[in-house]
Amino acid sequence: GDSVTQMEGPVTLSEEAFLTINCTYTATGYPSLFWYVQYPGEGLQLLLKATKADDKGSNKGFEATYRKETTSFHLEKGSVQVSDSAVYFCALRSYTNAGKSTFGDGTTLTVKP
Amino acid sequence: GAVVSQHPSWVICKSGTSVKIECRSLDFQATTMFWYRQFPKQSLMLMATSNEGSKATYEQGVEKDKFLINHASLTLSTLTVTSAHPEDSSFYICSANPDNSNTGELFFGEGSRLTVL
Repeated sequence: GDSVTQMEGPVTLSEEAFLTINCTYTATGYPSLFWYVQYPGEGLQLLLKATKADDKGSNKGFEATYRKETTSFHLEKGSVQVSDSAVYFCALRSYTNAGKSTFGDGTTLTVKP
Repeated sequence: GAVVSQHPSWVICKSGTSVKIECRSLDFQATTMFWYRQFPKQSLMLMATSNEGSKATYEQGVEKDKFLINHASLTLSTLTVTSAHPEDSSFYICSANPDNSNTGELFFGEGSRLTVL
């Protein structure tokens, strides 16, 4: 079945540091890929998405490129801020799996001033 | 953007009582909604797929008589935790995919924190 493997956390960075959170996946067919962010006590919000190979999703300075050859969708940001502290989930959605989404375990990011 | 609203945001109840959580899509229609459970510092566990006009599809290991799901309309799904016990305490989250979307993006509710005493 489908699966998503995320870089284990927690990750602690200083403000303005470079961020990478690795994400790899296995899926049948051609899934869409997503990064969601969850702030404390809240639901998930879509951060960015990519629906086909080589697409780059970007939002709020975050980027991720859909790499079919390496089955990866790594999240990057050039300069993190304290306000980026949250839990980040990599996810895929494949219509060969009854439209269900598969989530990674989440990576907790803490950015210190 | 599309908005999904959950209510209540948090609820405390006594053991043995039932609790209903609502999930509404405010500005789009959703034939399918999803219910998740999230334990502290853990990922989302899909409980069931809620289908408008038909029975919900439950994931393996989820008791359908314990977690009743009703998808009454294209904008509302409800999860009722029946005869709640302390082990049912958790953060419950719903999500929906707009019927007119072709990107597969899910929109999530704010979550509902249930505490059973």
